Amino acid sequence: DQQVKQNSPSLSVQEGRISILNCDYTNSMFDYFLWYKKYPAEGPTFLISISSIKDKNEDGRFTVFLNKSAKHLSLHIVPSQPGDSAVYFCAARYTTNSGGSNYKLTFGKGTLLTVNP
Amino acid sequence: KAGVTQTPRYLIKTRGQQVTLSCSPISGHRSVSWYQQTPGQGLQFLFEYFSETQRNKGNFPGRFSGRQFSNSRSEMNVSTLELGDSALYLCASSWTGRTEAFFGQGTRLTVV
Repeated sequence: DQQVKQNSPSLSVQEGRISILNCDYTNSMFDYFLWYKKYPAEGPTFLISISSIKDKNEDGRFTVFLNKSAKHLSLHIVPSQPGDSAVYFCAARYTTNSGGSNYKLTFGKGTLLTVNP
Repeated sequence: KAGVTQTPRYLIKTRGQQVTLSCSPISGHRSVSWYQQTPGQGLQFLFEYFSETQRNKGNFPGRFSGRQFSNSRSEMNVSTLELGDSALYLCASSWTGRTEAFFGQGTRLTVV
């Protein structure tokens, strides 16, 4: 049962245009969402996150939008650059204990973004 | 501050053998998680250790095990290797109560 889904395995965008990566989830207990970027032969690196109490978080060229009613989040990259070409993973967190200190992350399968010069 | 270090980077093993992978977290991080990445499957959670105790576990067979030492370093062991165990194994560490996990470069395991 995949609780975090990235339905687009790949996305190709022209340099300077907007890249929109999508993520859907099924577990309403998720309270925090993250995006990671991964280059080949490297580990994923944290990009941006958003709490479930917000609907938007912006950091430079990267903006994450959260639609809780639709259980959907998206990552916008504007403008896209060739160096953004990587696999992007969406991840969702829920707290596994009542003390609020035990978290578990669930990842999607990733979307390969290619930004063409 | 040094990042998460995983050793070895590459490993080739034969079916039926066992393997141990090592992970040194960022200094001060007490939580260490392990993930398996295979083509088309994304990052699948194996287990998480905190203060030498396994706190969470994914849906992997008992051949996959791990442990954490008092200095927060962690090891992952896979026994009776199968061809399907070939994957990139990633370790991530995080500070207590924090969400953003920092990943190592991974160990590429090939089972032949």
